[in-house]
Amino acid sequence: KQEVTQIPAALSVPEGENLVLNCSFTDSAIYNLQWFRQDPGKGLTSLLLIQSSQREQTSGRLNASLDKSSGRSTLYIAASQPGDSATYLCAVFSNDYKLSFGAGTTVTVRA
Amino acid sequence: SAVISQKPSRDICQRGTSLTIQCQVDSQVTMMFWYRQQPGQSLTLIATANQGSEATYESGFVIDKFPISRPNLTFSTLTVSNMSPEDSSIYLCSVMTGPKNEKLFFGSGTQLSVL
Repeated sequence: KQEVTQIPAALSVPEGENLVLNCSFTDSAIYNLQWFRQDPGKGLTSLLLIQSSQREQTSGRLNASLDKSSGRSTLYIAASQPGDSATYLCAVFSNDYKLSFGAGTTVTVRA
Repeated sequence: SAVISQKPSRDICQRGTSLTIQCQVDSQVTMMFWYRQQPGQSLTLIATANQGSEATYESGFVIDKFPISRPNLTFSTLTVSNMSPEDSSIYLCSVMTGPKNEKLFFGSGTQLSVL
């Protein structure tokens, strides 16, 4: 069974600092990995999708890397802003067509 | 991409009553799912909504408690029946789309509080 872990569970940084969020998974037989943002009491917004054959994806200030062999993905957010405050979740879509979510990292960016 | 409209966005309900949540997608999708997110927890899959047939429920979830309808490829409902305070959660519908059904999109969620 795929286990997805996100560390740290919570993170507080001053505005302008770069954010590094980690996601690890136990089974490297994955189809893709997706990063989401969730605001309190709301649904999930897709940020980046990385296919298993890719090493990284970039969108604006966001960059996500994938090392399938070591079971790790990292989401980098450059020059953080208070509007980046949210919970960030990673989801792993395994080759057996199962989707597994991490518990999320709650980010607070202090003005 | 897919745009998903989910209603209601929030509700406060009395114990023993039922609530039906609607999910409307702006395009036809094969795979539609219902998730629950309990306070402070990650997402748990309730069921896969199958068009024209009964939903496929995950372990721990049953049709009598969470009946699901999927009359066509753009619409689904989830009913939370005979509610108790333990059902207080965010309920989310989602779809997988893309050339290989590889990308997941979510509705805005329904925040349910049961008194």
